[in-house]
Amino acid sequence: QKEVEQDPGPLSVPEGAIVSLNCTYSNSAFQYFMWYRQYSRKGPELLMYTYSSGNKEDGRFTAQVDKSSKYISLFIRDSQPSDSATYLCAMSVGANAGKSTFGDGTTLTVKP
Amino acid sequence: GAVVSQHPSWVICKSGTSVKIECRSLDFQATTMFWYRQFPKQSLMLMATSNEGSKATYEQGVEKDKFLINHASLTLSTLTVTSAHPEDSSFYICSGGPLSYEQYFGPGTRLTVT
Repeated sequence: QKEVEQDPGPLSVPEGAIVSLNCTYSNSAFQYFMWYRQYSRKGPELLMYTYSSGNKEDGRFTAQVDKSSKYISLFIRDSQPSDSATYLCAMSVGANAGKSTFGDGTTLTVKP
Repeated sequence: GAVVSQHPSWVICKSGTSVKIECRSLDFQATTMFWYRQFPKQSLMLMATSNEGSKATYEQGVEKDKFLINHASLTLSTLTVTSAHPEDSSFYICSGGPLSYEQYFGPGTRLTVT
């Protein structure tokens, strides 16, 4: 069993929809939780990071962490075609995000 | 956010040759950088941690004699794939950041070994 499991998708939604992307994990020592967006043949781009449980909002993006359930989510409001990409969740035990464990990614397509 | 560049973006080489990939931090100094590889439709796998002025630390199962890492300055880390074989064909990505909990990735290097 992988330490981090991510909903595989692919996910296709109409423009303007609310998107929910999810990951579960097994290692209770994870403290830092990140979401990255990766366009095809490009490196990942950091969207948000969260420490421990709780919610964090940045524009159209909201990250949620529920450590009791070992479950994290990324919500995208008013989705746009430019949001079409692969989204990766990542987690680390310490503050060193370079040693994160990544999910396999969920590919999202937002149709105009 | 911070900017990390990689060069080349795509390289094709013949089996048995060596390839060097450069990773540069453009607007911050990085005492530590990370190297990953990513196969199609799969996640990033950490290969090694590049440490400025000292030896790299490799993840379990990564051959350090095959994947040579040199972190010669605070803005440059290089990964050399020695005696490359077709199974080394992959997408190689580096990362670094001004803060340990904020990692910025390079655009990646696609290596094809024929």
